[in-house]
Amino acid sequence: SQQGEEDPQALSIQEGENATMNCSYKTSINNLQWYRQNSGRGLVHLILIRSNEREKHSGRLRVTLDTSKKSSSLLITASRAADTASYFCATDGWGTNAGKSTFGDGTTLTVKP
Amino acid sequence: NAGVTQTPKFQVLKTGQSMTLQCAQDMNHEYMSWYRQDPGMGLRLIHYSVGAGITDQGEVPNGYNVSRSTTEDFPLRLLSAAPSQTSVYFCASSYTPGQHYGYTFGSGTRLTVV
Repeated sequence: SQQGEEDPQALSIQEGENATMNCSYKTSINNLQWYRQNSGRGLVHLILIRSNEREKHSGRLRVTLDTSKKSSSLLITASRAADTASYFCATDGWGTNAGKSTFGDGTTLTVKP
Repeated sequence: NAGVTQTPKFQVLKTGQSMTLQCAQDMNHEYMSWYRQDPGMGLRLIHYSVGAGITDQGEVPNGYNVSRSTTEDFPLRLLSAAPSQTSVYFCASSYTPGQHYGYTFGSGTRLTVV
């Protein structure tokens, strides 16, 4: 079963707007990562946030983590048409679950020019 | 170019045939893994390895074998292909789980079993 669940499944916005997608998970995590996948391509790592961190920034990306709610959000500011892609969260566990990264089903983002 | 290299990019198999998907990385990553991605879905972990000589099963290991004789290579073997194994397969690598900074993925192998 998938550990991470993204919400919404699909998101359509205009260029310049902000895009927010959410990820919920079920069990204790070591870290949470976000990836982008362009159609038919491999996944590209965007950002990793550790369980003892609450917020992280990278360029136009802002990730938050709320371990009490077992949820994370990815905010893309001032979106561009090139941001059109699917976005996935992945979680790494502790102990015997270390190395068993689990991915959600993704959010498909469409940015209209 | 440093990264994860997967071969072949496309493959068509007949039911019952066997084949090996190749994965190689040149970043001296200890951790390597194989995922499959079905249409409209996320990635499901097939097998993973935390170092040479060490492998373990993921969420969907049935019908697949792996071995890790070197740090660089992590091949995935389909023993007897079935139509249910039609999917896109991704190999990924990173430093030690829990200490890494994100996985590097290959570009994928698109497999069709007829």
